[in-house]
Amino acid sequence: DTEVTQTPKHLVMGMTNKKSLKCEQHMGHRAMYWYKQKAKKPPELMFVYSYEKLSINESVPSRFSPECPNSSLLNLHLHALQPEDSALYLCASSQDGTVNTGELFFGEGSRLTVL
Amino acid sequence: GNSVTQMEGPVTLSEEAFLTINCTYTATGYPSLFWYVQYPGEGLQLLLKATKADDKGSNKGFEATYRKETTSFHLEKGSVQVSDSAVYFCALSGSGGYNKLIFGAGTRLAVHP
Repeated sequence: DTEVTQTPKHLVMGMTNKKSLKCEQHMGHRAMYWYKQKAKKPPELMFVYSYEKLSINESVPSRFSPECPNSSLLNLHLHALQPEDSALYLCASSQDGTVNTGELFFGEGSRLTVL
Repeated sequence: GNSVTQMEGPVTLSEEAFLTINCTYTATGYPSLFWYVQYPGEGLQLLLKATKADDKGSNKGFEATYRKETTSFHLEKGSVQVSDSAVYFCALSGSGGYNKLIFGAGTRLAVHP
């Protein structure tokens, strides 16, 4: 199984809603990532979890709250978002977050629209 | 700081044409270099990589050579297919571990029959 599975594929939410994006991998990878991708732009790193600990937070606003319940799961909790947060949110995993192999496995993404 | 510059797209080709997508980088030290591909409606997939100067990465008919003297990592394919239509991202590994990739802006390729 070489898949990273993200749910939901599409999400529409209002600015006062609370929602969560979920990501799962069963490759035994110990690092997981959240990226944000705006239309026609490259992905931008948001968070990195390595061995279930938050290792990198790229100065992301607190209205985005990541969580890594175990080595296979990664969540992104969303609260009080702004319309400019509308984007494709990509989850990725890698075998070991401490070694720079550059080989990330990406999910298909969750397309978020904030009204 | 580290950065990646790709040629602007879109690149439009006929099937069986030769493809080149230019990529140059600025980096301290000796980063690894990558090409990722994003097919419509999907996430990114690693296409190929090179970890040191003069290395050639190859996969699915695509090739790229790590040229330290010109700080380049151009993507080439001898004969493109309609199924190659996608967005191609050049990337380098940043410093500090954690697979912190720095992506170029992406180049959209459209191949017509």
